[in-house]
Amino acid sequence: DAKTTQPNSMESNEEEPVHLPCNHSTISGTDYIHWYRQLPSQGPEYVIHGLTSNVNNRMASLAIAEDRKSSTLILHRATLRDAAVYYCILPGTSYGKLTFGQGTILTVHP
Amino acid sequence: NAGVTQTPKFQVLKTGQSMTLQCAQDMNHEYMSWYRQDPGMGLRLIHYSVGAGITDQGEVPNGYNVSRSTTEDFPLRLLSAAPSQTSVYFCASSYFYRTTGELFFGEGSRLTVL
Repeated sequence: DAKTTQPNSMESNEEEPVHLPCNHSTISGTDYIHWYRQLPSQGPEYVIHGLTSNVNNRMASLAIAEDRKSSTLILHRATLRDAAVYYCILPGTSYGKLTFGQGTILTVHP
Repeated sequence: NAGVTQTPKFQVLKTGQSMTLQCAQDMNHEYMSWYRQDPGMGLRLIHYSVGAGITDQGEVPNGYNVSRSTTEDFPLRLLSAAPSQTSVYFCASSYFYRTTGELFFGEGSRLTVL
């Protein structure tokens, strides 16, 4: 899997937007960008994925740089329930054998 | 659908004991895997399976055995428990050939080895 780099931690206030960055400078042309999050005491859950274009779903938006060397997960209005560890992953051809790094610990303040 | 179900949720073992962590999914997923997560760490892949009768090793397979006799079940066996195997174990499943699909995780099994 291609390597990703994320900040160790970020903080936000409730109901404000949150932009979680991820650098993946060694990404290949066919690598999808996946985001998962892990709420306290739970297993990881899928958030969103994309290839080239920006993507939106009910949980978040994914903004992908034009050169694809970085991406940003956007939570439009953070809630206390969004406090979690967020993982940016590039599965490559080994999908399913995901490599989870340290991720970004998101703290949301009331 | 129940999704991915793991049992037991909590288990305490003594060093040298053996046990099996159960994992079942009802989504007809070809791919299943086991991860362990130590405190403050990311998840590490133990073993995985791409279909019934097919298993392979992940990043940290030593001390664990798996088998896949059915599509639904993927048990993880600890042969002789050691304190270093104290961890939270997560089972996951997905459609193997859908490379853009999502990985579904169970709620985890917390194991303590004394």
